[in-house]
Amino acid sequence: GESVGLHLPTLSVQEGDNSIINCAYSNSASDYFIWYKQESGKGPQFIIDIRSNMDKRQGQRVTVLLNKTVKHLSLQIAATQPGDSAVYFCAESKAGTALIFGKGTTLSVSS
Amino acid sequence: DTGVSQNPRHKITKRGQNVTFRCDPISEHNRLYWYRQTLGQGPEFLTYFQNEAQLEKSRLLSDRFSAERPKGSFSTLEIQRTEQGDSAMYLCASTDPGGSYEQYFGPGTRLTVT
Repeated sequence: GESVGLHLPTLSVQEGDNSIINCAYSNSASDYFIWYKQESGKGPQFIIDIRSNMDKRQGQRVTVLLNKTVKHLSLQIAATQPGDSAVYFCAESKAGTALIFGKGTTLSVSS
Repeated sequence: DTGVSQNPRHKITKRGQNVTFRCDPISEHNRLYWYRQTLGQGPEFLTYFQNEAQLEKSRLLSDRFSAERPKGSFSTLEIQRTEQGDSAMYLCASTDPGGSYEQYFGPGTRLTVT
């Protein structure tokens, strides 16, 4: 599968590969983190979230990892499918207030 | 459909005109947020309400922008004397008061100022 250590604006993978999208957040006081998927012309769609008292959370085919020491967040997508092609954003907030979004990563999945 | 709805979906206006957008949050969601998104960028926070109270406003929200949520349900965002730089997607989101911080987004209103 494809893995990136630093944020990259684009990620291209083959169908069936595992994808890892990275994000750095800025505020040490943030206690809530969330990943969104956004398709062209649509609003962001929730994928998975995690609170600061956790290091890892798993959903269906997705896993979010939180490293508070280096203020790093990652999204892992297992068995990537063409329907996963979209722009992915991470976001942080403090106690449910304004979300601060990171730079997006465009995921392209080829079959 | 019980998701967040926004109207209109698209708006084209001439520079200097006023525009108003509407957002209907998910029923009983007490927090409502407005964001702006320009092409190739992530959404940027503008303002948010808890019930009818406007709790926070971003520096991005200039004097030409005003938002209301008079009855704690739907919200409107008005832009006066529009400028070409106002062209963007305006997104609305709402949050369940039950403790989850997840913000559910609407489809957005695409504004083009000519």
